[in-house]
Amino acid sequence: EVQLVESGGGLVQPGGSLRLSCAASGFTFSNYWMSWVRQAPGKGPEWVANIKEDGSEKYFVESMKGRLTISRDDAKNSLYLQMDSLRAEDTAMYYCVRTLQDSAHDYWGQGTLVTVSS
Amino acid sequence: QSVLTQPPSVSAAPGQKVTISCSGSSSNIGSNFVAWYQQLPGTAPKLHIHENHKRPSGIPDRFSGSKSGTSATLGITGLQTGDEAEYYCGTWDNRLSAYVFGTGTKVTVL
Repeated sequence: EVQLVESGGGLVQPGGSLRLSCAASGFTFSNYWMSWVRQAPGKGPEWVANIKEDGSEKYFVESMKGRLTISRDDAKNSLYLQMDSLRAEDTAMYYCVRTLQDSAHDYWGQGTLVTVSS
Repeated sequence: QSVLTQPPSVSAAPGQKVTISCSGSSSNIGSNFVAWYQQLPGTAPKLHIHENHKRPSGIPDRFSGSKSGTSATLGITGLQTGDEAEYYCGTWDNRLSAYVFGTGTKVTVL
């Protein structure tokens, strides 16, 4: 059974940083692109970033470019998202998602909530 | 402000059919596969259609997808109360180098 478990969310002040983690199991992690998708309260989902199977390609949403680092550790079956200079508008549930070759997202974690507020 | 446009809402009686449109451009739908996601309240989105028309395991054949040019359509036949949810289309955008989701459509079973 595919499982994706996020952690690392919480309350952070504007300008602060957070590192999200995602523990994957139930599939061969190194064979898949992986992504982060966020959803602000009452809004639709917004793709944030993705990373290729071998980590050689990474893409980011325009609104967070320069403030994000995405990485993976295939030995630990883990995905990470380092978020810096956080703003109130970054407040959202952040989901770890497995990504297919056609870019569709077929498995989602339960999400970790990030709240940016003073 | 999404680059993929969906109607805000559609509705029909139980057993009837609804269709949801997703309008994009040559840099997204016109060039790449489209996926559709169902989101029930308080849960993560769930993939229902990918590669324009393929259903993941466990998704009933009441759900169908198609694409023509720069638009895509999700169809739901034999509508059930459990189908009441928000539905989003999604695809890769070559100009933005980003994955984009549609504006979302609320399906209501009357």
